[in-house]
Amino acid sequence: QVQLVQSGAEVKKPGSSVKVSCKASGGTFGNYAISWVRQAPGQGLEWMGGIIPLFGPANYIQKFQGRLTITADGSTSTAYMELSRLRSEDTAIYYCVKSRGRYLEEWYFDYWGQGTLVTVSS
Amino acid sequence: EIVMTQSPATLSVSPGEGATLSCRASQSVTSNVAWYQQKPGQTPRLLIYGASTRATGIPARFSGSGSGTEFTLTISSLQSEDCAVYYCQQYNNWPPTWTFGQGTKVEIK
Repeated sequence: QVQLVQSGAEVKKPGSSVKVSCKASGGTFGNYAISWVRQAPGQGLEWMGGIIPLFGPANYIQKFQGRLTITADGSTSTAYMELSRLRSEDTAIYYCVKSRGRYLEEWYFDYWGQGTLVTVSS
Repeated sequence: EIVMTQSPATLSVSPGEGATLSCRASQSVTSNVAWYQQKPGQTPRLLIYGASTRATGIPARFSGSGSGTEFTLTISSLQSEDCAVYYCQQYNNWPPTWTFGQGTKVEIK
């Protein structure tokens, strides 16, 4: 049984950066991928990018290229998502999610963190 | 980018009746499709993966089918606790650019 525990809510100014952490317990960090999915208020789910810890580098969708950095620290079983140059449209709940495994057919999300609300407001 | 299009946007079903949710991919995603359920104020939960395999602990009234570009989630006998938004997701391309459908809201009639 894997548990993903995320850091707390953040309020940020436009133009600043936010870094959200996701600590995994249970399972073997590196035997699965960690992705970040966000959900704007009242909206659907959007996959942002993901990483296979210890195998790096991360993959990102084009929309976030240059603004998003996903990293993982195997020594602490913690993944991080840093989003820079924040704008109001980045206000959302950010979820870290675990894939079933490392291989293509295993990249569905079987465990979700509790979510971190990031509010971007002047 | 592979676009996943779900229909209908909202589905109203009487308790005990069946519900059929559709998801269409803009190109073939073989069977690499998952379905998630999100109840209000909650984190999404995995229901189906590999287009048709139920995740651990998911009731048998939930079933998935399809391959290629057309996928279906069926709830055989709707219960009140099934009111939620349901999302399909493809995970078929590499490097990964996974995409979700926009969701179907299921409500009790």
